[in-house]
Amino acid sequence: EIVLTQSPGTLSLSPGERATLSCRASQSLRSGSLAWYQQKPGQAPRLLIYGASSRATGVPDRFSGSGSGTDFTLTIGRLEPEDFAVYFCQQYGTSPLYSFGQGTKVEIK
Amino acid sequence: QVQLQESGPGVVKPSETLTLTCNVSGGGSIISGGFYWSWIRQHPGKGLEWIGYIYYSGSTYLNPSLKSRVTISLDAPNKQFSLRVTSVTAADTAVYYCARDSGLGLKAFDIWGHGTMVTVSS
Repeated sequence: EIVLTQSPGTLSLSPGERATLSCRASQSLRSGSLAWYQQKPGQAPRLLIYGASSRATGVPDRFSGSGSGTDFTLTIGRLEPEDFAVYFCQQYGTSPLYSFGQGTKVEIK
Repeated sequence: QVQLQESGPGVVKPSETLTLTCNVSGGGSIISGGFYWSWIRQHPGKGLEWIGYIYYSGSTYLNPSLKSRVTISLDAPNKQFSLRVTSVTAADTAVYYCARDSGLGLKAFDIWGHGTMVTVSS
């Protein structure tokens, strides 16, 4: 079973700063099989990035994804107040068919 | 615009069967377009666990960790799909979401319901 490990667990930053979140897979992922979500308290997750680097509809361009194989990164260029939330990565294709990382909380410093 | 809405009991007794329904509104038929309709759950304060999906054709694919207790079914005329979990325990207490993978290589969930909290308690 594949395991996705996200780091750090919590990221304390100020608005305007750059956020770099990591997601590492225990084995290499199929091409284009990594997605990122944002979740705010009491809400469902929102798809930000699919295919490792493609932004979902309506997602601001300050969000970008990169990586391949086992190492993936979500970058938030300049943090806006509404970006403070929990972020999850998700893989597709290795049993179980979809699985998620444990999340990184981006909090206001 | 497609929207999803979960419904079901807020509380289920241990050893009983949990049944949830996801109503799909907007868009066309749920059996067109090659969509994958999934159930995902989130234990309190924890991460996300994919339970399984039903394809527009009616075929299902389930998480091996839950496969023995889970059934997912489709009611196309009413634009609904359902989750059934048997022999529930406290470990099944979670927020349950329905979600859609629109296929076409997306490999991710682009539309989610708001989620429904299920508590297993006597």
